[in-house]
Amino acid sequence: KNQVEQSPQSLIILEGKNCTLQCNYTVSPFSNLRWYKQDTGRGPVSLTIMTFSENTKSNGRYTATLDADTKQSSLHITASQLSDSASYICVVSANFGNEKLTFGTGTRLTIIP
Amino acid sequence: EPEVTQTPSHQVTQMGQEVILRCVPISNHLYFYWYRQILGQKVEFLVSFYNNEISEKSEIFDDQFSVERPDGSNFTLKIRSTKLEDSAMYFCASNIQTQETQYFGPGTRLLVL
Repeated sequence: KNQVEQSPQSLIILEGKNCTLQCNYTVSPFSNLRWYKQDTGRGPVSLTIMTFSENTKSNGRYTATLDADTKQSSLHITASQLSDSASYICVVSANFGNEKLTFGTGTRLTIIP
Repeated sequence: EPEVTQTPSHQVTQMGQEVILRCVPISNHLYFYWYRQILGQKVEFLVSFYNNEISEKSEIFDDQFSVERPDGSNFTLKIRSTKLEDSAMYFCASNIQTQETQYFGPGTRLLVL
């Protein structure tokens, strides 16, 4: 069964600090891995998308890494801001032709001043 | 910037009633999706739709659910006879091509009493 697991479940850091969120997946056949940001009560917003041949991708202060061999990904946030407070969801797409995403449970990140 | 819109933002209904959730995907997108998120849980795939037919559906998407693209802009999810456990946030998403970034709408919060 395809699964995506994330850690930590929640994280609190001071504004300006960096943090790294982790994702492990068992999805086959793998197509791509995405990180989404979801504010409370809102729809997820895409941050990065990586295929198996990409091992890093940046979007501003967000940098995602992918190790397709160990089936692990991380999302690194630098110089955190209060607006970064949200859930960060790791999502993996299986290459069945028709797209079917498997979502992780997310990491709830809280930035405190 | 184009965005996916959804109506209504909130819907309260009695158990056993039919509800229709509406979505307007981004205009040049060809692939459409519905997801649900029960409060405090992860986002779950319901169905994908392309070329006026369902291309993939999950085990959640049983005979109580149906989707339709009644015209060139709307994409609807109908729940025929709602159950208490259908209470959730329902997200519509679209993308221009499978395996590309999906853009999510703001969601419809459905409460079944």
